[in-house]
Amino acid sequence: TQLLEQSPQFLSIQEGENLTVYCNSSSVFSSLQWYRQEPGEGPVLLVTVVTGGEVKKLKRLTFQFGDARKDSSLHITAAQPGDTGLYLCAVPKWSNYQLIWGAGTKLIIKP
Amino acid sequence: NAGVTQTPKFQVLKTGQSMTLQCAQDMNHEYMSWYRQDPGMGLRLIHYSVGAGITDQGEVPNGYNVSRSTTEDFPLRLLSAAPSQTSVYFCASSYSGSSETNNEQFFGPGTRLTVL
Repeated sequence: TQLLEQSPQFLSIQEGENLTVYCNSSSVFSSLQWYRQEPGEGPVLLVTVVTGGEVKKLKRLTFQFGDARKDSSLHITAAQPGDTGLYLCAVPKWSNYQLIWGAGTKLIIKP
Repeated sequence: NAGVTQTPKFQVLKTGQSMTLQCAQDMNHEYMSWYRQDPGMGLRLIHYSVGAGITDQGEVPNGYNVSRSTTEDFPLRLLSAAPSQTSVYFCASSYSGSSETNNEQFFGPGTRLTVL
C-alpha cells in the first residue's frame, strides 16, 4: 500500500477543459510538494505547500493543501497541450530532504 | 550551470554484468540521491548522501552501491545486474537546508536501463 495515493492514475481531456487531480494519505505531513515530469526528463518542482488550508496559484494551476495536512489537490483551469505530463506529489518522511512519492497522475491534453 | 547531469542516457546489460551510472551536479548541493522509477510505483529512493563521505540506504538499496568522494559526484554501481533492475534511474540533488521550502529536488534527465 502506497503512503500517498494519487488519483486518477490517468486522465485524457480536450484543450480548454478544467480538471482536478488528487494526492491523498491517512498520515499528516509537515509539507507537500507537486512536481511535473515530461517524457524523457526528470521531475521539476511546481510548488511546496506547508500550512493546512493553504492555496497557491501558479498561472492556471491552483494547489491546495488540506486543512488536516493529509491531502492535496491540483486544479488546472483551461488546460493546454503544454500541461501534458506526469504529475507527482511528494512528502518528507525521514527528513525534509528524503521524500516519499506518489505514483503520479498521467495527464494528456488533446489539442 | 548544467544542473544535474547523468550518463549514460540508455544502457542495455546482460544478467550478471556490472556497471556504474554517473551523476554530477554543479550547484554545490550537499544532498544527493538516487531513485528508480517503475510504472505505477512512483519514485523509490535507492541511496542518498548528505555530504561528501556520507552515504546511507533508502527504501530499495539491495543490489546497488554508492560512494560520495566529492560534493559534485555521486555514482551508482550495479555489481551484478538482474532483470528486476530494469528501470529508469534518476539522480537528484538539493540544498540541505532544514526549512520545508528549501528542499526542492533538482533531477537529472535519467538513465534508462534494460537488463536482459
